[in-house]
Amino acid sequence: KAGVTQTPRYLIKTRGQQVTLSCSPISGHRSVSWYQQTPGQGLQFLFEYFSETQRNKGNFPGRFSGRQFSNSRSEMNVSTLELGDSALYLCASSLELAGADTQYFGPGTRLTVL
Amino acid sequence: AQTVTQSQPEMSVQEAETVTLSCTYDTSESDYYLFWYKQPPSRQMILVIRQEAYKQQNATENRFSVNFQKAAKSFSLKISDSQLGDAAMYFCAYSGGSNYKLTFGKGTLLTVNP
Repeated sequence: KAGVTQTPRYLIKTRGQQVTLSCSPISGHRSVSWYQQTPGQGLQFLFEYFSETQRNKGNFPGRFSGRQFSNSRSEMNVSTLELGDSALYLCASSLELAGADTQYFGPGTRLTVL
Repeated sequence: AQTVTQSQPEMSVQEAETVTLSCTYDTSESDYYLFWYKQPPSRQMILVIRQEAYKQQNATENRFSVNFQKAAKSFSLKISDSQLGDAAMYFCAYSGGSNYKLTFGKGTLLTVNP
């Protein structure tokens, strides 16, 4: 089976812009989770989608949003980008809810905000 | 809110030796999951080991084993016969509650010296 794929792998944006990141889970997986990873804050949970419904949400402002499509592919959007949004954004998929199952992580999207 | 604490930001071990990474968590739940994930440099995060709280037996995966102390809310990872390929950032994670929301620790950076 193909692993979790994320596009694009690298992205450079300027403050105030918006960005959309994409994640394709492993075939058959119904859960997709998103994480933000930075040297200072470590790995922070953004949200989890399961069968097109948001099941869990982290402590991020409303500028961060996501969705999941019927084929389980997921997108996350960040509006009005800030310098502090520069990070590695990781996507992970699992058969069942992420917290009760093994997650398979993608390679991440490196976002740089200038 | 649940918290996961990894008190060792960095650890080092000699090749072929044994090392133990610490993790403590805070929860009022009786049923939950605990995980150790490994993130090698510039490579994707992978699951190392998973423990279900209702199982008293400590989980083991080849050279990786855990010491799960439910009453003490401790979940340490022991790596035996350390190999150069074990060098990575190790994250401890907890999930519980009705939606099994995941909480990650800050991580422990493990260096393996030849």
